[in-house]
Amino acid sequence: DAKTTQPNSMESNEEEPVHLPCNHSTISGTDYIHWYRQLPSQGPEYVIHGLTSNVNNRMASLAIAEDRKSSTLILHRATLRDAAVYYCILRPINTGTASKLTFGTGTRLQVTL
Amino acid sequence: NAGVTQTPKFQVLKTGQSMTLQCAQDMNHEYMSWYRQDPGMGLRLIHYSVGAGITDQGEVPNGYNVSRSTTEDFPLRLLSAAPSQTSVYFCASRGAGTGKNIQYFGAGTRLSVL
Repeated sequence: DAKTTQPNSMESNEEEPVHLPCNHSTISGTDYIHWYRQLPSQGPEYVIHGLTSNVNNRMASLAIAEDRKSSTLILHRATLRDAAVYYCILRPINTGTASKLTFGTGTRLQVTL
Repeated sequence: NAGVTQTPKFQVLKTGQSMTLQCAQDMNHEYMSWYRQDPGMGLRLIHYSVGAGITDQGEVPNGYNVSRSTTEDFPLRLLSAAPSQTSVYFCASRGAGTGKNIQYFGAGTRLSVL
């Protein structure tokens, strides 16, 4: 299975944009890039996903490199409620494997006033 | 809109005891999964189900049993609890078609085995 590499931790000031990087140099052409986040003492929460093109939703933006070997999750204005562990996950396009999300250790984002 | 509901939220067991962790979803999702999360680690898949009556093993299935008799419920059974099963357990579900890309997770069950 293709692997992802993320920094262990990052810090941001409130109201500032945050760019969370993810390297996935062995990504397959049929792998989706998913991002989930886990707030303290809660289950993971879907954030965004994409295949080739950049994606935007109400929570965040996903910027995917042209060669797809890396991606960046962008939180446009971090708030204290965005403090969480963010997981970058590759998921094969096959529907049957959509249940099998492989979580790494993620990036712990700290947001300060 | 309850989503994915897990019970109990906390449980303490003695080694050798058995118990069932309950998971129910009200979104009519075909796919359901169980994960465990150990301290400082990511989630690991235990078992999953692609529909009522169909289950399969994930990455760490040993010591756990599952069944799926209804679309709504996916209980996880610990047959003989061991200290190594001390963990936080998460249940998840997802839909089909355009909904297949989003998994919804419960709040978790925190299990301690003494």
